[in-house]
Amino acid sequence: SQQGEEDPQALSIQEGENATMNCSYKTSINNLQWYRQNSGRGLVHLILIRSNEREKHSGRLRVTLDTSKKSSSLLITASRAADTASYFCATVSSGTYKYIFGTGTRLKVLA
Amino acid sequence: DTEVTQTPKHLVMGMTNKKSLKCEQHMGHRAMYWYKQKAKKPPELMFVYSYEKLSINESVPSRFSPECPNSSLLNLHLHALQPEDSALYLCASSQALVRDRGSYEQYFGPGTRLTVT
Repeated sequence: SQQGEEDPQALSIQEGENATMNCSYKTSINNLQWYRQNSGRGLVHLILIRSNEREKHSGRLRVTLDTSKKSSSLLITASRAADTASYFCATVSSGTYKYIFGTGTRLKVLA
Repeated sequence: DTEVTQTPKHLVMGMTNKKSLKCEQHMGHRAMYWYKQKAKKPPELMFVYSYEKLSINESVPSRFSPECPNSSLLNLHLHALQPEDSALYLCASSQALVRDRGSYEQYFGPGTRLTVT
C-alpha cells in the first residue's frame, strides 16, 4: 500500500501566492524527500529532511517534518507559473532501501 | 554531469514483440532503479540494483527482465507485454543504497513512454 498520502490532490493558485501541500506516512523513516515532476517528465529532487530535523529551507521552499504525527509539509512561497507541476513526497522506511512515493499534489499556478 | 539519460523517449510495441529500454548515468552512482508510472499516479518501484547486483525485485512479472551490464548502464528487457503495461518507465540513480543511516537523493531520467498495442 502507499506509504505517503498527500493532500490536497490538486491546488490552483495565482502567481505570487503561497502554496502548501502535505504528506502523511505510516512507518518510521530515516528521512523524507520532496520531488517535482513536470508533465510527463522525470522527477527532480527538491529537498531532503532527516528524521531528526524539524524544518528546512531551500530558496523559496520550506519543508517541515513532524515525526510524532508522521507528516510533512512543503511550502512554496511567491509562486511562479513555472512552479506548475506535480509534487511528490518520498520516504524510505527504517531498515529498507525502498523509496515509496506519496500520491502527489498537482499544483497549477495561474499567471 | 548530473544527467540520467533514457532511450527511447517513446516506444510502441505489440504484445508479441521483444524490446529493451536503456538507461545511462555517468555520475559514478552505484545504485540504479526502475520505476513504472501510470497517468496521475506516483512512481512505483520495480527493481533496484546496487553495485550491479539486483537488490530488490518488487514481485514484477517475468515479462520484465532487468539487466545491469556495468555500473553506468541499466536495461529493461520487455517481452510479451500486456496493454495494461503501457506507462511511463522511469530510471533513476543514487550515490548508493544506505539502509540504516538514511538514503540519498535520486536523479531521474526523462522516462520512456511505452504503449503496448
